[in-house]
Amino acid sequence: KAGVTQTPRYLIKTRGQQVTLSCSPISGHRSVSWYQQTPGQGLQFLFEYFSETQRNKGNFPGRFSGRQFSNSRSEMNVSTLELGDSALYLCASKGTSSYNSPLHFGNGTRLTVT
Amino acid sequence: GQQLNQSPQSMFIQEGEDVSMNCTSSSIFNTWLWYKQDPGEGPVLLIALYKAGELTSNGRLTAQFGITRKDSFLNISASIPSDVGIYFCAGLIQGAQKLVFGQGTRLTINP
Repeated sequence: KAGVTQTPRYLIKTRGQQVTLSCSPISGHRSVSWYQQTPGQGLQFLFEYFSETQRNKGNFPGRFSGRQFSNSRSEMNVSTLELGDSALYLCASKGTSSYNSPLHFGNGTRLTVT
Repeated sequence: GQQLNQSPQSMFIQEGEDVSMNCTSSSIFNTWLWYKQDPGEGPVLLIALYKAGELTSNGRLTAQFGITRKDSFLNISASIPSDVGIYFCAGLIQGAQKLVFGQGTRLTINP
């Protein structure tokens, strides 16, 4: 089974621009979560989608949004980029709707905002 | 606020040594997960624990779900160079709907 696939692997954007990141979950997984990872803050939860519905949201501003398609693929969008948005963005999927099911992570998209 | 305390933050050991790290909280957990992250990659699941007192092994790795349900530890025996990386604990607090992650333990091995 292919793992979680995230594209692109690297992105460089300038302040004020917007960016869209893509995630394809493990085949059959309907839950997709997004995390922001920075050296100072660790892994911070952004949101979770299950069957095209956002089921949980972290404490990030409205500039961060996401969606999930009928094939379970998910996209994350960040508008009006700020320097502090530079981070590794990780997508994770899981095989059940249970909150305690383990997450399976992709290799992330490294976003640099200049 | 910080819900999980993971320690130590970093470890510098000799190859062949045993390693121990832990996560503690004031909250009660239903699930503990341990992940390892290599540079440039996403975290990979090592061990999942679902019951208080549960002790689970995965090769040279052993993890336990604390009896109080407020802590968990991970041991690595006879460390080898490929054990280098950042280890994260993650847990589901009773009644919560999302995992919380520890800040990670960075393991460095001197050959």
